[in-house]
Amino acid sequence: DAMVIQNPRYQVTQFGKPVTLSCSQTLNHNVMYWYQQKSSQAPKLLFHYYDKDFNNEADTPDNFQSRRPNTSFCFLDIRSPGLGDAAMYLCATSRVRGQGLSVLTFGAGSRLTVL
Amino acid sequence: AQKVTQAQTEISVVEKEDVTLDCVYETRDTTYYLFWYKQPPSGELVFLIRRNSFDEQNEISGRYSWNFQKSTSSFNFTITASQVVDSAVYFCALRGDAGNMLTFGGGTRLMVKP
Repeated sequence: DAMVIQNPRYQVTQFGKPVTLSCSQTLNHNVMYWYQQKSSQAPKLLFHYYDKDFNNEADTPDNFQSRRPNTSFCFLDIRSPGLGDAAMYLCATSRVRGQGLSVLTFGAGSRLTVL
Repeated sequence: AQKVTQAQTEISVVEKEDVTLDCVYETRDTTYYLFWYKQPPSGELVFLIRRNSFDEQNEISGRYSWNFQKSTSSFNFTITASQVVDSAVYFCALRGDAGNMLTFGGGTRLMVKP
């Protein structure tokens, strides 16, 4: 089945130790998104790629970076995780960017714990 | 600016009860799009329904139904005869015509007890 796969599902890191989360998709969608979801909160968009075009949200900290080496893969890099970065990180895709009724397809998320 | 409010942070019902999840939105766009997503304990957000602002027809899909009322800026979601498998966090979301991205509400955690 076509889907969005995130790895790892659970990641434990130490304060300040870089971490990379990955997302792959078999939907051949043009757009890939990264959301941060803290406990009992709504998902918050960090950035998205439209093909190779990177779009950062204005309030996304510099500590968060992303790479999209090809259509299928997208990575979230957290350069120096702080305790406040502990969250679920959700990857999503859509065929087109934000047009009307376009639906986002989400992965199962990567839960990050920072010790 | 857009805003989605889900006033009910947590609802608990007993199996087979009907339950309505409220969603109120704010937008200045005349054309906009509304969505409901379900997030079960596994974490993945699952798309349930979408609506554009010109389509106020209510929809029923099995035990799920949606009531869209522009006059009150509401897009409420009702589960009839709830089941334990309905236990999840439900998010209402809005996309305006001018903007590209979804604005999510805070979510409602539904617990259905046997």
